Amino acid sequence: ETGVTQSPTHLIKTRGQQVTLRCSSQSGHNTVSWYQQALGQGPQFIFQYYREEENGRGNFPPRFSGLQFPNYSSELNVNALELDDSALYLCASSPLGREAFFGQGTRLTVV
Amino acid sequence: GIQVEQSPPDLILQEGANSTLRCNFSDSVNNLQWFHQNPWGQLINLFYIPSGTKQNGRLSATTVATERYSLLYISSSQTTDSGVYFCAVVRGSNTGKLIFGQGTTLQVKP
Repeated sequence: ETGVTQSPTHLIKTRGQQVTLRCSSQSGHNTVSWYQQALGQGPQFIFQYYREEENGRGNFPPRFSGLQFPNYSSELNVNALELDDSALYLCASSPLGREAFFGQGTRLTVV
Repeated sequence: GIQVEQSPPDLILQEGANSTLRCNFSDSVNNLQWFHQNPWGQLINLFYIPSGTKQNGRLSATTVATERYSLLYISSSQTTDSGVYFCAVVRGSNTGKLIFGQGTTLQVKP
């Protein structure tokens, strides 16, 4: 059984560009959630996908969007990158409402 | 929305000492998890404990849901225990939205 994996691990983008981050959920988990963690802060909920449908969204603008695929893997897309988008992006998978397990994160730097 | 407060924000211990980390939350919750964030950023699961007491080696946790707090105990601390400890709660049964506290940064000195 594999755990939650994220790719890439590190990424540098230029302001205004678009980025796609990927997450493979743990076997048997149908829910994927994405979090943004700024330096020195706790992770902040971006959104959650359950069985390919968005199931809740945090206080993030529409340029943050996502997808979940039939195999329950997921993508996070961010358009029109801003400097403040520089952060650690964490993906978690779980059965809905149960214990969540996190991937190793993608560290995004916007310059 | 629900507020999650962790204390203390920072803690420095000598190796071998014991410690207690606290997590207060402002409303009833369905789930509560404790995590240790390693230096590379990954959140490692410590406990899934919406109520009651659990133990895993030198670590144990207690959640008193009726009084809206949880405690994480670390006994005989080791330098490898250093890092940031997060408490996170879920409110609602049909969501996995975790609401995190600001964390406790623990430094264990040899």
